[in-house]
Amino acid sequence: DAGITQSPRHKVTETGTPVTLRCHQTENHRYMYWYRQDPGHGLRLIHYSYGVKDTDKGEVSDGYSVSRSKTEDFLLTLESATSSQTSVYFCAISEVGLATGELFFGEGSRLTVL
Amino acid sequence: DAKTTQPNSMESNEEEPVHLPCNHSTISGTDYIHWYRQLPSQGPEYVIHGLTSNVNNRMASLAIAEDRKSSTLILHRATLRDAAVYYCILRDVEAGNNRKLIWGLGTSLAVNP
Repeated sequence: DAGITQSPRHKVTETGTPVTLRCHQTENHRYMYWYRQDPGHGLRLIHYSYGVKDTDKGEVSDGYSVSRSKTEDFLLTLESATSSQTSVYFCAISEVGLATGELFFGEGSRLTVL
Repeated sequence: DAKTTQPNSMESNEEEPVHLPCNHSTISGTDYIHWYRQLPSQGPEYVIHGLTSNVNNRMASLAIAEDRKSSTLILHRATLRDAAVYYCILRDVEAGNNRKLIWGLGTSLAVNP
């Protein structure tokens, strides 16, 4: 199994509070991604990174920011959490060659915003 | 962006073959067909991928129609552990990144003992 660790795995917070989710990999893969998964929707890309300090927006990036200061860590921050951000968040990694390579996913972080 | 269409759910019996269909009528020449599955309370995991030719690996086989507008994931002998949601997605080699990946709702496969 790919070495991907997400933390925290579960979090309950209140509206308006900041939240940071961490994704840590031991595979030295270049690309890292944050997805959210909600009932009735497929996985949706929030942000991704193609290298240290290189990030870009996905399809649902509003309200989220990311940082990647080291190859192994990719942080997702909700500056001021809202109830609409209640979701399960998945981190994924991949090597170069995205069309043919595999995405490896973490086990997910369940966030509840009250 | 090319999209895929899959049945919402399917059912199979243990130790029988399962054929999971996927339609992708707007597929482009540079789209690879990927299959992932998601077991309950876990992240998705890679199953198989292909471009034009049929592909086999230890988990499954992928049969791609000659016109590439549809494909079928084949589980040769279903086990209880194969009960999962199966996603068929297209990945554009020219896109250079995963922004154009579109994940649908997949097919929820139930396996009866």
